[in-house]
Amino acid sequence: RKEVEQDPGPFNVPEGATVAFNCTYSNSASQSFFWYRQDCRKEPKLLMSVYSSGNEDGRFTAQLNRASQYISLLIRDSKLSDSATYLCVVTQDQGGKLIFGQGTELSVKP
Amino acid sequence: NAGVTQTPKFRVLKTGQSMTLLCAQDMNHEYMYWYRQDPGMGLRLIHYSVGEGTTAKGEVPDGYNVSRLKKQNFLLGLESAAPSQTSVYFCASSYNPGGVGNEQFFGPGTRLTVL
Repeated sequence: RKEVEQDPGPFNVPEGATVAFNCTYSNSASQSFFWYRQDCRKEPKLLMSVYSSGNEDGRFTAQLNRASQYISLLIRDSKLSDSATYLCVVTQDQGGKLIFGQGTELSVKP
Repeated sequence: NAGVTQTPKFRVLKTGQSMTLLCAQDMNHEYMYWYRQDPGMGLRLIHYSVGEGTTAKGEVPDGYNVSRLKKQNFLLGLESAAPSQTSVYFCASSYNPGGVGNEQFFGPGTRLTVL
C-alpha cells in the first residue's frame, strides 16, 4: 500500500464547477499536510498547508481528518487556470521529508 | 533572488556514463532535497541534507550519491547511468521543515534520458 494515495483522475470539469480531491495516508504519525500544485512539466509549488481545523484560501478549502487519515481539497468556481495536477503531501518526521501522492490531474474546460 | 536553480536543464547520457547534477539555492535554507519524478509514480525522495556537510538516504537512493560541501549547493551524482534512471529530477530546499506551514521550494527540474 502506498503511503499517500490519491485518485489519479483525470477530473474533467466545466468552468464554474466545484471539484473535490481526496487523499488518504497510511502513517498515523504523519505530522504536517499540504497540497501542492504542479503545472505540466514544471516544478511543484505549494498551494496551501492543511490545518487540523480546516482552512480556506479564496476558492480553495482544505480539510484534515486525523482519525480517518484523510485529507481533502475543494475547489469552488473552477477556472481554466486551475488546470494542473494536485499533489497531496505529508511529512512524518522533523527531517522534513515530504511523502507525495501520485497526484490528481484536473482539466477545466470552457 | 533566484530561488532554487538546477544545472543542466536537459541531458542525454549513454548507459555507463557518469554525470553530476547541480542544485543551488540563495535563500540560506538549511534543508535540501533531491527527488525524481516518473509517470504515475509521483515524486520520490532520493537523498536529502539537513545542513552543510550532512547527507541522508531517502526512499530510492541506489545508484546515486550526493554531497553538500557548501550550504547553498547540493550535488547529485550518477556514477554509472542506467536506463532506469531516465527521469525528471527536482531539487528542493526549505528553511524549517517541521511543523505546519513549512514549504519546500523546488527548482525547475532536470530532464535526464539514459540510452
